[in-house]
Amino acid sequence: KNEVEQSPQNLTAQEGEFITINCSYSVGISALHWLQQHPGGGIVSLFMLSSGKKKHGRLIATINIQEKHSSLHITASHPRDSAVYICAVRWGNQFYFGTGTSLTVIP
Amino acid sequence: GAVVSQHPSWVICKSGTSVKIECRSLDFQATTMFWYRQFPKQSLMLMATSNEGSKATYEQGVEKDKFLINHASLTLSTLTVTSAHPEDSSFYICSLDDRSSGNTIYFGEGSWLTVV
Repeated sequence: KNEVEQSPQNLTAQEGEFITINCSYSVGISALHWLQQHPGGGIVSLFMLSSGKKKHGRLIATINIQEKHSSLHITASHPRDSAVYICAVRWGNQFYFGTGTSLTVIP
Repeated sequence: GAVVSQHPSWVICKSGTSVKIECRSLDFQATTMFWYRQFPKQSLMLMATSNEGSKATYEQGVEKDKFLINHASLTLSTLTVTSAHPEDSSFYICSLDDRSSGNTIYFGEGSWLTVV
């Protein structure tokens, strides 16, 4: 089993702040996903990483395979970024999920 | 546009009745779909892996006779909660991965089940 830990669990930020969410896992993986879950429940995949760094708009995701660690960064945060962010690792044919980071961005 | 369609989004049912949730792959054929359950403030818990044309693989602790999964075609998997009880009230969500696009995960919209 792959243990996935996320931090922080909860995060409140002022609009415009730079935000970092961390994810660590215990066993080597084939890919790591960052997911965004809105209050209604729907989940969208933000990034899939197997190495290095990816950027999409104000979102940046990095992964360090040797350290088994990934970070999700949000630059110039906005209230619409408020959601739960979930780290998921693919190990074999299964996915293992972190408990999520609940982000609230205050105007 | 949506890749995976799940419905119903919300369902309220009486204890003892059965509820069926559908998960459809819209853009490609999915030989494997995953069913998850999520309780409030908790992470996704894999319930079972649905395999087209064969029996589902259930995770430990998930009752296969209570949570019936049918994957009758390459685009449709269904989860039926039989003899529902209030403790089955939860958020259920399906997902599939598109191996043709490098294992991108797609999720359904999820289904909120309330058993009264």
